[in-house]
Amino acid sequence: KAGVTQTPRYLIKTRGQQVTLSCSPISGHRSVSWYQQTPGQGLQFLFEYFSETQRNKGNFPGRFSGRQFSNSRSEMNVSTLELGDSALYLCASRLGSSGRLGGPYEQYFGPGTRLTVT
Amino acid sequence: KNEVEQSPQNLTAQEGEFITINCSYSVGISALHWLQQHPGGGIVSLFMLSSGKKKHGRLIATINIQEKHSSLHITASHPRDSAVYICAVMNYGGSQGNLIFGKGTKLSVKP
Repeated sequence: KAGVTQTPRYLIKTRGQQVTLSCSPISGHRSVSWYQQTPGQGLQFLFEYFSETQRNKGNFPGRFSGRQFSNSRSEMNVSTLELGDSALYLCASRLGSSGRLGGPYEQYFGPGTRLTVT
Repeated sequence: KNEVEQSPQNLTAQEGEFITINCSYSVGISALHWLQQHPGGGIVSLFMLSSGKKKHGRLIATINIQEKHSSLHITASHPRDSAVYICAVMNYGGSQGNLIFGKGTKLSVKP
């Protein structure tokens, strides 16, 4: 079974630009979570999507947004890029979303997209 | 105080040594993950624990829910075990499903 894939793997953008990152989950997984990793803050949760609906959102400004498609693929978008947005962006997929639907479900991480903002 | 604390932050060991990394957390959880991250960024989930103990090869993970503590042990360590090990808890309640991460333990195993 193919793992979680993320594209692109590396990206260089300029301040003020916007960027879209893509994540394809493991086949059959309906939940996709996004995380940001920086040297200063470590790993932080951005948001989670399940069945095309945002289930949870971390403490990030509105410049960070995402969506999920009917095939469970997800995209995240960052508008008006700032230098501090330089980071490794990871997505993780899992079979379901915890709670009344069952779980907890193990998360499987993609290789990440390394974004550099200059 | 961070919700997930790991110790030690850095660890250097000789090949063959038994290694223990500790994780304490202060929130209610539904599960705890141990993750491994090699230079270059990719994260691999080693274990997901809700209770007790799990073993995979030379790796053993334990969790004590009452004490809010987990340990990751590596037996007969090898230079290829050199990586950052991250403890992450799946919060139970208001923000179910997202992970709260520790700062990681950087392990270096010398030949």
